Amino acid sequence: NAGVMQNPRHLVRRRGQEARLRCSPMKGHSHVYWYRQLPEEGLKFMVYLQKENIIDESGMPKERFSAEFPKEGPSILRIQQVVRGDSAAYFCASSPQSGDNEQYFGPGTRLTVT
Amino acid sequence: DAKTTQPPSMDCAEGRAANLPCNHSTISGNEYVYWYRQIHSQGPQYIIHGLKNNETNEMASLIITEDRKSSTLILPHATLRDTAVYYCIVRVASGAGSYQLTFGKGTKLSVIP
Repeated sequence: NAGVMQNPRHLVRRRGQEARLRCSPMKGHSHVYWYRQLPEEGLKFMVYLQKENIIDESGMPKERFSAEFPKEGPSILRIQQVVRGDSAAYFCASSPQSGDNEQYFGPGTRLTVT
Repeated sequence: DAKTTQPPSMDCAEGRAANLPCNHSTISGNEYVYWYRQIHSQGPQYIIHGLKNNETNEMASLIITEDRKSSTLILPHATLRDTAVYYCIVRVASGAGSYQLTFGKGTKLSVIP
């Protein structure tokens, strides 16, 4: 029973390039959450998605960041025109339902912007 | 979500019980207490959660005071692999914001051989 999978595990981008981070939830889970962890800080919520729907994107930066969770395939967090401040660990979590359910986290993608 | 307060760090001898406290004095009646841990930059790992009754699972026990203003996570026999940052999170059960986990700075637990 595979857990939450994220790829790539490490991603290096130059300033101005695009970064695409992928998340495959646990089998049977249709709710996906993205979090960002800046160096030496706690995780910060970014966005919550269900299949084909963005439920809450209150934690997403207003520009350059977008997320999707298509009917088929993994959830994608996309960062356009990356800047050095985007360097962080990005974690995806999934749950079978929303509300009172524990979220299971993936291993994260470490983005480095040079 | 209610704010939580945890000590920044704690040490525990290997094989002994680790008791990690958390204050959440402004918790509301419909808010749960969750505990997660993060081992050296890995993804956070769910440990346990509760509303008002004490809870126990294969990993830990959660003791919530009667007034719900504080709680304690107990790892009964700490091992070196329990060295991690432990996060106490208060989370509303349903409705807007119920899906957001708000991570603070947590408690860095060091298990000493």
